[in-house]
Amino acid sequence: SQTIHQWPATLVQPVGSPLSLECTVEGTSNPNLYWYRQAAGRGLQLLFYSVGIGQISSEVPQNLSASRPQDRQFILSSKKLLLSDSGFYLCAWSVREGRYTQYFGPGTRLTVL
Amino acid sequence: AQSVTQPDIHITVSEGASLELRCNYSYGATPYLFWYVQSPGQGLQLLLKYFSGDTLVQGIKGFEAEFKRSQSSFNLRKPSVHWSDAAEYFCAVGSYDKVIFGPGTSLSVIP
Repeated sequence: SQTIHQWPATLVQPVGSPLSLECTVEGTSNPNLYWYRQAAGRGLQLLFYSVGIGQISSEVPQNLSASRPQDRQFILSSKKLLLSDSGFYLCAWSVREGRYTQYFGPGTRLTVL
Repeated sequence: AQSVTQPDIHITVSEGASLELRCNYSYGATPYLFWYVQSPGQGLQLLLKYFSGDTLVQGIKGFEAEFKRSQSSFNLRKPSVHWSDAAEYFCAVGSYDKVIFGPGTSLSVIP
């Protein structure tokens, strides 16, 4: 069966520091991968999605970036964090053929101080 | 443009009572529809999905949803709520290359 991992689970970072969040998927090949952010008490905002290695689409202009160095690895990064980057970050995957059904990881709680 | 609305921000029900969470969507073609549940501090879990066929869809944890094209709705129901159902519920619609999520409905269950 497929599983999706995210780490770290929680992170507290000072303003201006770099960020790297990692997401990996097991048990499937060539997945579509997604990064979402969920601000406190709000819905999900799609940040990036990827249909293959090195292929990244950005949904919202911001100081975040994403990379996909391997088929089942998706990384969310920032060079300098802002207070507004605080939130709950969720990674998701879907199979290429039935790409509408997304399966989510456990999330990373990021607090920027 | 595609959109999803969940009219109820917060709902409180008694344990054992029935539940209906509302979802309305705007989409130009036949939609793919989903319901997800999120417990505090957790990721989203897929409850059920509708792609085509029977408009009454059964999901996990005793939930079901009914697709009504004439009303552009996909309401989630459960006949008897358990305390463990307290969570955030998200309706979503699949478009060509992405899934659009509604704002969510927070469910509280009182004993």
